[in-house]
Parts: sequence; C-alpha cells; structure tokens
Amino acid sequence: GEDVEQSLFLSVREGDSSVINCTYTDSSSTYLYWYKQEPGAGLQLLTYIFSNMDMKQDQRLTVLLNKKDKHLSLRIADTQTGDSAIYFCAERDSGYSTLTFGKGTMLLVSP
Amino acid sequence: NAGVTQTPKFQVLKTGQSMTLQCAQDMNHEYMSWYRQDPGMGLRLIHYSVGAGITDQGEVPNGYNVSRSTTEDFPLRLLSAAPSQTSVYFCASSYSRTIAGELFFGEGSRLTVL
Repeated sequence: GEDVEQSLFLSVREGDSSVINCTYTDSSSTYLYWYKQEPGAGLQLLTYIFSNMDMKQDQRLTVLLNKKDKHLSLRIADTQTGDSAIYFCAERDSGYSTLTFGKGTMLLVSP
Repeated sequence: NAGVTQTPKFQVLKTGQSMTLQCAQDMNHEYMSWYRQDPGMGLRLIHYSVGAGITDQGEVPNGYNVSRSTTEDFPLRLLSAAPSQTSVYFCASSYSRTIAGELFFGEGSRLTVL
C-alpha cells in the first residue's frame, strides 16, 4: 500500500525559510497535498500539486516535486511565529478514493 | 455555511460502552470519511463513503461501523469501546468522490476510553 514519510520536527527562527520534506511510494499518485494543523483544530489545505508539475508557488509557499525520487517539499519563505503548526504531506491513491497522510512535521518558529 | 460539524467534541467512555460520533456537512459533498489521529501515527483512515448508500473500509476499520443514508450525514459507531480506541477522530468531506481537490475537516472529537 501507499506510505508517506516525513521528518517529525523542524525548528527555525522567525524570518528564516523553512523546508519540510516528504517522500511517497505510489508512483501513480496524481495529486500530492500539504495540510496544516494548528493546535486543537482540524487540518486545513495549504496547497496541492498535480503530478505533471515540478513546482508550484503560492505567495510564501513553494512546493517542489521530484517524481523520479518520489520526493515532495514545502518551502515557507519568511517564516512567522504564526506558521508554528503540524504540517502533513498526503498523496491520493491510484483508485482516487483515499488520501494517505504522513505522520506530520511539527514546525516550531522561535522569535 | 457551517462546513463540517462534528459532535460531541469530547467524550469519555468506559470499556464496552457503545456510542456514535456524529458528522454532518452542509456543502453537498459526495465524499465523506473518518480518520483517527494518534501521537506518532499521523492520520489513519477508518471508513469512507463516495455517496449516499455507499461505504468502504479504510486502513483501520476494525471496531467501527458507518452508514451513509443521506448525503449530509456520516456517523461513526463504536459498538464496544476499547482503550485502544482512545484517539482524536476527524471527519472530512470533499465535493468530488475522486477527491480532486480539498478535503474539508471538522474540528475533531476527542474520545477517551477508560
């Protein structure tokens, strides 16, 4: 089955860039997602990328996709303390009916 | 629009008790699903539905039942609660049965089984 791996923790200083990495196993995934979870809340979609794209930029967020290595990254420019949260990578399965999530990366931004 | 509404937000059960976690969405979404979130385990899919009258199992379905009699509602039933079911449960929905876009999440239901 599908498996999505992420590093569990990242700590950065306010104003720095953050890069959160993810690897996935299903080479037929057509959609790959980044979700954000703030404390005590549900997940919210940050961005997603189609598998026929290498990069997607959305304001401070840049997503890079390396299909050969099945590697996805999320870069947050000018990271703010409000960006402190858990970030989940997810892939849609080849049957188009389920999302498989990674374990989440906790981002801590210090002033 | 309320989005995805889950009730209750908190619940404490004793081992062997039964209960139903409610999930309702007002966005006319075809797809609905239940996840559980445990420390160090991320989110794991319990059950999902691609439309009224259709349900299917996810990664961790044992101990849980679901039904989808209407487009709006997707309740999750625990028939005989066990301590291993202590978790935070999230309901999520999508407009498309192929999840070609965003999953909208509820705020979660925190369940403790003693």
